Amino acid sequence: AQRVTQPEKLLSVFKGAPVELKCNYSYSGSPELFWYVQYSRQRLQLLLRHISRESIKGFTADLNKGETSFHLKKPFAQEEDSAMYYCALPYSGAGSYQLTFGKGTKLSVIP
Amino acid sequence: GAGVSQSPSNKVTEKGKDVELRCDPISGHTALYWYRQSLGQGLEFLIYFQGNSAPDKSGLPSDRFSAERTGGSVSTLTIQRTQQEDSAVYLCASSLIGLAGIAYEQYFGPGTRLTVT
Repeated sequence: AQRVTQPEKLLSVFKGAPVELKCNYSYSGSPELFWYVQYSRQRLQLLLRHISRESIKGFTADLNKGETSFHLKKPFAQEEDSAMYYCALPYSGAGSYQLTFGKGTKLSVIP
Repeated sequence: GAGVSQSPSNKVTEKGKDVELRCDPISGHTALYWYRQSLGQGLEFLIYFQGNSAPDKSGLPSDRFSAERTGGSVSTLTIQRTQQEDSAVYLCASSLIGLAGIAYEQYFGPGTRLTVT
């Protein structure tokens, strides 16, 4: 069964410091991975997906198949980055499509 | 444009009562999903609808949970004989589906916060 692990429930960093949110996955095959973000009192939204190789709001994430990781990074954290972050792995098959989410990491950026 | 909407936004019910949660997906999105967000468990998949195909109900935690999608649009998630462990935020999402059944971006609703007392 596929699984997504986010080892940190809470991550606190100072404004301007680098931030790395960890995500590890277990999946046999070539995965497609996402990061979703939920700001306070807002709905869950897609931040970035690895196949697009974009940098969104200064965040990047590189898929490392050898380490089965998809860590989210930003060189300089901003206060507005404070939010819950979820790593997600899609499952597609047998007429179904769904996302398997990690349990999330709450990022708190200290001014 | 209008996003995914859900109602009610909050629901408090007594243990043993039935509840219905509603989801209005984005117009034109053929795929609709329900997830549950609870403390300590993160986001769990519940059910998936795609067009007129049979839904994938593999994530429903018990037979007290059921869902319908009428006319390929609005969906209702029903929980019968609610228990305290059903307390959570229930999220609905919708998306387009591309070739080979791969979904485009899932757009989430604001959720319904269910509290069972």
